[in-house]
Amino acid sequence: KQEVTQIPAALSVPEGENLVLNCSFTDSAIYNLQWFRQDPGKGLTSLLLIQSSQREQTSGRLNASLDKSSGRSTLYIAASQPGDSATYLCAAQGGSEKLVFGKGTKLTVNP
Amino acid sequence: GAVVSQHPSRVICKSGTSVKIECRSLDFQATTMFWYRQFPKQSLMLMATSNEGSKATYEQGVEKDKFLINHASLTLSTLTVTSAHPEDSSFYICSAYPPGVRREKLFFGSGTQLSVL
Repeated sequence: KQEVTQIPAALSVPEGENLVLNCSFTDSAIYNLQWFRQDPGKGLTSLLLIQSSQREQTSGRLNASLDKSSGRSTLYIAASQPGDSATYLCAAQGGSEKLVFGKGTKLTVNP
Repeated sequence: GAVVSQHPSRVICKSGTSVKIECRSLDFQATTMFWYRQFPKQSLMLMATSNEGSKATYEQGVEKDKFLINHASLTLSTLTVTSAHPEDSSFYICSAYPPGVRREKLFFGSGTQLSVL
């Protein structure tokens, strides 16, 4: 059974700082690894999707990497801004299309 | 991009009543939709997979008689929480993917916060 863990559970940084969010998964037989953003009481916004055959994906100030063999993924946020404050979720998708989510990392970027 | 609409966004009800949540794919047809539930400070957990024209598939531990799912058309799936109790208070969210696209890109509704008094 796939289990996804995110560390840290919460992170508070000053504006402008570069930061890394970590995600680990127990079953390396994944179809892809996705990162989402969740704002309080709202739905999910897809940020990045890394196929199992890929090593990383980039979108603007965001960069996500994937190491299947070690069961790890990282989300790198460059030059953080207060608007980046949200909960970031990673999710592993297996062959059944089901997404298994981590509990998330709550990020606060202080102006 | 594809849009998934979910209503209502928030509902407060008395214990024992039933609550219906709608999930619509606005610009694509979805033969499959997924329903998730999230308790405070917990991860999103898949409850069931909704299949158009057939019975939903429920995850282990989810009561199918309590959480009724109807996927009557290619653009609408509904989740009805029957005889809701305070322990059913949670954030419910649906997702779907457009046909013809590799089943990797799920689009999510905005979620429904259910509070049962």
